Amino acid sequence: AQSVTQLDSHVSVSEGTPVLLRCNYSSSYSPSLFWYVQHPNKGLQLLLKYTSAATLVKGINGFEAEFKKSETSFHLTKPSAHMSDAAEYFCVVSAPPQGDKLIFGTGTRLQVFP
Amino acid sequence: DGGITQSPKYLFRKEGQNVTLSCEQNLNHDAMYWYRQDPGQGLRLIYYSQIVNDFQKGDIAEGYSVSREKKESFPLTVTSAQKNPTAFYLCASSPDWGVGENTEAFFGQGTRLTVV
Repeated sequence: AQSVTQLDSHVSVSEGTPVLLRCNYSSSYSPSLFWYVQHPNKGLQLLLKYTSAATLVKGINGFEAEFKKSETSFHLTKPSAHMSDAAEYFCVVSAPPQGDKLIFGTGTRLQVFP
Repeated sequence: DGGITQSPKYLFRKEGQNVTLSCEQNLNHDAMYWYRQDPGQGLRLIYYSQIVNDFQKGDIAEGYSVSREKKESFPLTVTSAQKNPTAFYLCASSPDWGVGENTEAFFGQGTRLTVV
């Protein structure tokens, strides 16, 4: 069965510095991978997704992620953090044989300091 | 505007009562999902439905029930059998089910249920 591990429960950065949120996945098949963002007491918004096309995926708000099969990783990055990036981020995997399910990581809370 | 609407945003329930959370989508999506979110645990799948009049148990279905009589609606009932129902509940939908371009899920704004 597939699974996803977010390596950091909390990440703190200063405004204007780079962001790195780490995600490793496990799957016996080629997975689809997603990053979602959640602001407090809100639903989830899709940042970006990988579905076997280009390994470097660009998303909204300047975020991007690189699919590395050899490392089973899908880390989320942003060159320069903004105060509005403070939120919870979820890495998500979907793969056979349970392709109709999304498996969520436990989340990483990003804090951005001025 | 197209989207997913969950209501109510906040819900209070007395112990022993059943409550129903509403989820409506006008995106013409086939698949709909219910997730439960607890602090530090990510989202856990309660039930999902791939098509009208069909639904499947997720990972934590005990104490919950659903129906899918209409494509646009997927209400969740939290029954008195659910031992710890206080949580944030999220409804989602996707155009199709299965891996690939159509696996992207769109989420509602959530319902926070508190047992008093």
